[in-house]
Formats: sequence, C-alpha cells, structure tokens
Amino acid sequence: DTAVSQTPKYLVTQMGNDKSIKCEQNLGHDTMYWYKQDSKKFLKIMFSYNNKELIINETVPNRFSPKSPDKAHLNLHINSLELGDSAVYFCASSQTGTGASSYEQYFGPGTRLTVT
Amino acid sequence: GESVGLHLPTLSVQEGDNSIINCAYSNSASDYFIWYKQESGKGPQFIIDIRSNMDKRQGQRVTVLLNKTVKHLSLQIAATQPGDSAVYFCAETISGGYQKVTFGTGTKLQVIP
Repeated sequence: DTAVSQTPKYLVTQMGNDKSIKCEQNLGHDTMYWYKQDSKKFLKIMFSYNNKELIINETVPNRFSPKSPDKAHLNLHINSLELGDSAVYFCASSQTGTGASSYEQYFGPGTRLTVT
Repeated sequence: GESVGLHLPTLSVQEGDNSIINCAYSNSASDYFIWYKQESGKGPQFIIDIRSNMDKRQGQRVTVLLNKTVKHLSLQIAATQPGDSAVYFCAETISGGYQKVTFGTGTKLQVIP
C-alpha cells in the first residue's frame, strides 16, 4: 500500500489554465504539506495543514490555493498557470507529537508539472 | 570530487569506499536536524536525525555528525553501494509547535561501480 499518493504523476498544460493536484495519505498522520522542487532540486515548503487547518503559508502567489477536506487529503489548486510554475510538486505528511518522529515527513512520489 | 556552481554539488565515490556529505545550516536557533535521501523520480526519504544536544548519532551504515559551533552537519555512509546513489538533503527545524522544516540545497552522490 502506498503511504502518500499523488495524482497525477505528470501534468502538462498551457499557460493560463487552471489545474489541480491531489494528495492522500493512509498513515493516519494529522499534518500534511506541499513542497515545490525546482530544476536545481531546491525543495521549498509552500503550505502545511494540521487537522484541516492551515498552519504554514509561505510567500506563495495567491494563484495557489490548498484545500484539505479531511486530514488524510490535501489538494493543491493552481489558477492561471505561468511558465515559472513548472516544477515537481511534492506532498508530504507527518504526525505531530513531542517525539522526534513528529519531524519525520513522509513524501509522495511527486507531480511533475510542465507549463508550456 | 565535488563540483559547485549552477549545478547540483556532486560527490563521486568508488563503490566500497566511505562517503562524507557536508551541509552548512543557516539558523543558529535550529535544534533538530534531519537527513533525507531522494532517488531519481521519487520523493525524499528520511534517513537519520539528530538533536542539538548530541554531536553524533549512528544508524545502519550511516553516521550524522553535528558541529553547532560552525553550524555544520555531515552524513557519513560506510561502504558505499550503488543503491546509495541519490541526492541527499540536510534539513533543519526548531522543535516545538508547528515549525517548518527548511531543506538545504542537496548533494548528488554518484557511486562508481
């Protein structure tokens, strides 16, 4: 069973379109994240949700809107796609707590977004 | 050897040798550090972590060293194998609450058979 899954794995679209990426985790974790990885492999956090509540919101254009219908799902909707949005987007999850494991994040396989 | 610049820093190691991947972290307030391994086409995977009250921690074939004085972290891989070829990231955070984890720039490890 896949712990953190994302769909789609590849997404090719034109500038100006709106697209969504879905993420699901079956680990029972209460915190989920979206990261963006650029062509130089730099990994940067975008958003984090804890029990459906937004807790981290980095300086991301408001064209990006995360939605968490429940604690096992965190979707990312992107409006008016731009060339610079091309990247690999990773979803991750973790379980909050007092132990070290609360910082161990489990990543999905990534969604490669190409905007043409 | 290592190469830096516009490309991802790369470390080439002969199979069977030991590898040392270095990382400089930025926030002196960070007290928890993690190493992740990212294989081609996959998401990062947790390897080992260390708290700031320790200066060394060992796992299976891996050792993490922490030098808080110079804000430096290293990952040592013993008897490097072809399956160790990947990009390695160090990450830092401040424990407690909902602190974000900040990832370093990554180092590509190439194992030469």
